[in-house]
Amino acid sequence: DTAVSQTPKYLVTQMGNDKSIKCEQNLGHDTMYWYKQDSKKFLKIMFSYNNKELIINETVPNRFSPKSPDKAHLNLHINSLELGDSAVYFCASSRKDNRLAGGNSYNEQFFGPGTRLTVL
Amino acid sequence: GENVEQHPSTLSVQEGDSAVIKCTYSDSASNYFPWYKQELGKRPQLIIDIRSNVGEKKDQRIAVTLNKTAKHFSLHITETQPEDSAVYFCAATLRSGYALNFGKGTSLLVTP
Repeated sequence: DTAVSQTPKYLVTQMGNDKSIKCEQNLGHDTMYWYKQDSKKFLKIMFSYNNKELIINETVPNRFSPKSPDKAHLNLHINSLELGDSAVYFCASSRKDNRLAGGNSYNEQFFGPGTRLTVL
Repeated sequence: GENVEQHPSTLSVQEGDSAVIKCTYSDSASNYFPWYKQELGKRPQLIIDIRSNVGEKKDQRIAVTLNKTAKHFSLHITETQPEDSAVYFCAATLRSGYALNFGKGTSLLVTP
């Protein structure tokens, strides 16, 4: 009964390859996110989706393309992988966002276990 | 841009002592401030949060205070135990209301 799951857990690949990471949540949440955690442990938002619609794209290169086939899934596809893409990628989900619910919504974000991507 | 500053970056305390981590934020529209604990190799997990209409919240040994005027909030852990050792992140909601802007983390070490 895992709340937010990601696959794969580890991903090792060569520079230039294309890879995907999958994320699923069974919490019935409307909003899903991708965060990147680099080697210094900095956690940074990449994308946010609400009901399958892209809400936030935080200056992420075009090589990264999120896809949300339904509101329970948010996948991340990365083209032409570079060394600097090596990081841990976390998917997260939450209920309706603050703005839609008038600023008082319950906004706890639940994180997936992470995918450690290593680009060689 | 919107920033969350977190201090200190590392903190070492003796078991039983208190630990305090401080954060400041720049976006006056931020209205939700969670704290996450991340153990080595694990996912971040929420330990406590506070909304902008509240000044203080406590849950057993953990408390959070918020000063909206000064735009800073703090995490207080009392009677620390070795299992409290982890990286702690503060965060604030981005202006849009979606997603979180995280501080750079505090590595807390509690020595027996």
